[in-house]
Amino acid sequence: QSVLTQPPSVSGAPGQRVTISCTGSSSNIGAGYDIHWYQQIPGTAPKLLIYANSNRPSGVPDRFSGSKSGTSASLAITGLQAEDEAAYYCQSYDSSLSGVVFGGGTKLTVL
Amino acid sequence: QITLKESGPTLVEPTQTLTLTCTFSGFSLSTSGVAMGWVRQPPGKALEWLALIYWDDDKRYSPFLKHRLAITKDTSKNQVVLTMTNMDPVDTATYYCALLPEVGIYFDSWGQGTLVTVSS
Repeated sequence: QSVLTQPPSVSGAPGQRVTISCTGSSSNIGAGYDIHWYQQIPGTAPKLLIYANSNRPSGVPDRFSGSKSGTSASLAITGLQAEDEAAYYCQSYDSSLSGVVFGGGTKLTVL
Repeated sequence: QITLKESGPTLVEPTQTLTLTCTFSGFSLSTSGVAMGWVRQPPGKALEWLALIYWDDDKRYSPFLKHRLAITKDTSKNQVVLTMTNMDPVDTATYYCALLPEVGIYFDSWGQGTLVTVSS
């Protein structure tokens, strides 16, 4: 059971917009700790996609955006492309556990 | 260019101790603010954070595995080492080392990972 809760799967057709939620609690997201997102294509290492809630590292397309509110956060992907098919993980810090926490991951299928 | 690469045994027997080494380049772990960590991923499952080590040798461990983990650094060799005692088949996973930015607790560069299987 992950500290951060994500839907196991989402799907969308090419060109559509999808969102992936990440729900935490008062000891992580709700405490003001930042949310970060990773993309993991099968068979490869995770790749940083969004850091500090809404910032994109260099090279990440602006089709990817992040937001945070209260004890939850969201990753939005617009103009869905076949290459976006991957697993997506949210990550934060938890003060009760005094450590890094990940979500359970969401598998995105591009129909 | 930052690179990280994990190395270690691919197969360990139950109850044995696992030692993994992360060899990196493109930065120094003696520079103020720099930190590195280990994350693992069982086959088909989610990412799990294991440990962090900072430039000043401050260390943080997952509370669930703290009693089994030790993380050390050798700045002269540009290496970080993770040891995990009393290995069990449930510890079968791909183990990643990763670099944290100077500000923030997240992982902005990752190694390719190394699969460790625990079996007799």
